Amino acid sequence: SQKIEQNSEALNIQEGKTATLTCNYTNYSPAYLQWYRQDPGRGPVFLLLIRENEKEKRKERLKVTFDTTLKQSLFHITASQPADSATYLCALSYNNNDMRFGAGTRLTVKP
Amino acid sequence: DGGITQSPKYLFRKEGQNVTLSCEQNLNHDAMYWYRQDPGQGLRLIYYSQIVNDFQKGDIAEGYSVSREKKESFPLTVTSAQKNPTAFYLCASSKDRVGGNTIYFGEGSWLTVV
Repeated sequence: SQKIEQNSEALNIQEGKTATLTCNYTNYSPAYLQWYRQDPGRGPVFLLLIRENEKEKRKERLKVTFDTTLKQSLFHITASQPADSATYLCALSYNNNDMRFGAGTRLTVKP
Repeated sequence: DGGITQSPKYLFRKEGQNVTLSCEQNLNHDAMYWYRQDPGQGLRLIYYSQIVNDFQKGDIAEGYSVSREKKESFPLTVTSAQKNPTAFYLCASSKDRVGGNTIYFGEGSWLTVV
């Protein structure tokens, strides 16, 4: 069955630096890969979607890459701020929108 | 405001009791979902519904039941058959089940067994 691994449980970085989060998967590549942000005790909120035929997507300070050869997506937050501190989830879906979530990486941005 | 409303936010269940979590959406979405979230694990799908009066089991449906009598509503019942129900429960919806649609989540409900 498909396994999704997000690089680590927690990532601590200094304000202003770029945060890079990793999402690796096994088996077949998804048609779509999405990233969500989740604050403690809240529901996840959608950030970005990238399709299997796209290499990169950007939205403001966020950038997502998708490498189907490496079976990996990277999620970057540039010029990070303390307000970016949250858990970030990657989610893979296929053409029936059967979505599978990773366990998430908890990002802490220190002032 | 358009969105998904879950209630209650906190719920306590005694051994042997059934409890029902409410989920209402006003996004006019056809598809609705229930996920369970445990610490250190990804969201796991309990049930989903693509249309009114239809629902399908997800990966961990045992001990849970749902209904979809109205497009807006998708309540989840945690039955006494669910032996480890303490978790964070998330209701969600999407326009439909076509791939690539964004999933919108409610604020979640905490269920604790006492």
